[in-house]
Amino acid sequence: AQSVSQHNHHVILSEAASLELGCNYSYGGTVNLFWYVQYPGQHLQLLLKYFSGDPLVKGIKGFEAEFIKSKFSFNLRKPSVQWSDTAEYFCAVMSYGGSQGNLIFGKGTKLSVKP
Amino acid sequence: KAGVTQTPRYLIKTRGQQVTLSCSPISGHRSVSWYQQTPGQGLQFLFEYFSETQRNKGNFPGRFSGRQFSNSRSEMNVSTLELGDSALYLCASSLDRGGGSPLHFGNGTRLTVT
Repeated sequence: AQSVSQHNHHVILSEAASLELGCNYSYGGTVNLFWYVQYPGQHLQLLLKYFSGDPLVKGIKGFEAEFIKSKFSFNLRKPSVQWSDTAEYFCAVMSYGGSQGNLIFGKGTKLSVKP
Repeated sequence: KAGVTQTPRYLIKTRGQQVTLSCSPISGHRSVSWYQQTPGQGLQFLFEYFSETQRNKGNFPGRFSGRQFSNSRSEMNVSTLELGDSALYLCASSLDRGGGSPLHFGNGTRLTVT
């Protein structure tokens, strides 16, 4: 069965610090990968996605993620975080050709950015 | 364009009761999925509906059921509620089932079982 692991439960950073959130998945086949974000009081929304091609994908608000197939990883990065990045971040995987409605999510990482 | 609407926002029920949650997808979206979110387990897939048919089901007991109507609106039902069913239930819609259509989530229904 597919699974997704997010290494950090809660990350606390100061503004302007660099961010890297880890995500590893277990699945033997081709996958589509996603990062979703949930800002306080708001609904989950898509941050970025990887389907194929360039393993470095860019999303909204300066976020990017790198797919490393050999490591089954899809880590999220941002060079300089802002207070407004405080949110919970979820990594998700979908088997290639599978259904968008059947994503497997990680348990999430809470990011707190201190002003 | 209106987002995904879930009603009610909050529900308090007692053990043994049943509950029905409603989800109105974004206009034009034909796929609706349901997830259960809890602090311990995170987001867990419940089921997916497309064109009024259940296409996928997660690993939940038969007490959890759902349906989708011809206008793509969806409901999920939980019968014989247990304390462990307390969670945030999220509905998500997408244009179609393929990976190219991102999920759009609603704000959820917070169910508390006492």
